[in-house]
Amino acid sequence: GQSLEQPSEVTAVEGAIVQINCTYQTSGFYGLSWYQQHDGGAPTFLSYNALDGLEETGRFSSFLSRSDSYGYLLLQELQMKDSASYFCALDRGSTLGRLYFGRGTQLTVWP
Amino acid sequence: NAGVMQNPRHLVRRRGQEARLRCSPMKGHSHVYWYRQLPEEGLKFMVYLQKENIIDESGMPKERFSAEFPKEGPSILRIQQVVRGDSAAYFCASSPGLAGSTDTQYFGPGTRLTVL
Repeated sequence: GQSLEQPSEVTAVEGAIVQINCTYQTSGFYGLSWYQQHDGGAPTFLSYNALDGLEETGRFSSFLSRSDSYGYLLLQELQMKDSASYFCALDRGSTLGRLYFGRGTQLTVWP
Repeated sequence: NAGVMQNPRHLVRRRGQEARLRCSPMKGHSHVYWYRQLPEEGLKFMVYLQKENIIDESGMPKERFSAEFPKEGPSILRIQQVVRGDSAAYFCASSPGLAGSTDTQYFGPGTRLTVL
């Protein structure tokens, strides 16, 4: 089986930088994905790490270390609109066709 | 390019009735996935389908739940004889079915099922 652990809540102020950690246990996977969900709406894809290292997409970056079974999502220059739930998900690959999601981290950005 | 569409957005059923949830994938996508989300929890995989084929239904309860993705028309998630525990948000996602692992899934707005 597999498991994912993320903090349940994180708070920060506008303009700050926040890191959401994700540790996992799995027998095999292709990569680690990150999704954002506002108020129970459609989860939206943010980032994907197939290889170890940092992937940067604008204000968001994601990191993966397979040797440490660990990844994180880094959000810079926080804005109020970044308040949402953030999910890490193990990518089992298109053959198996499923993402295994963590329970999510609720980020609250204060003015 | 329209995104993933789901309907209805909200569905209320009484115990014992049937619920039918529909999902139209993004244009050009041939793979559909269904997930269930309970409040304060992550999305739980239910089933993965391609046109006219169920690829993986390991997350689907063995009884009362079924899914299809016909050659023409939307994918349907069907829940028979609903019980209160079926109340949840049901999300559909689609992907283009690219070779390899980077087959990003794009999610619809979900159907909120409430069983009275």
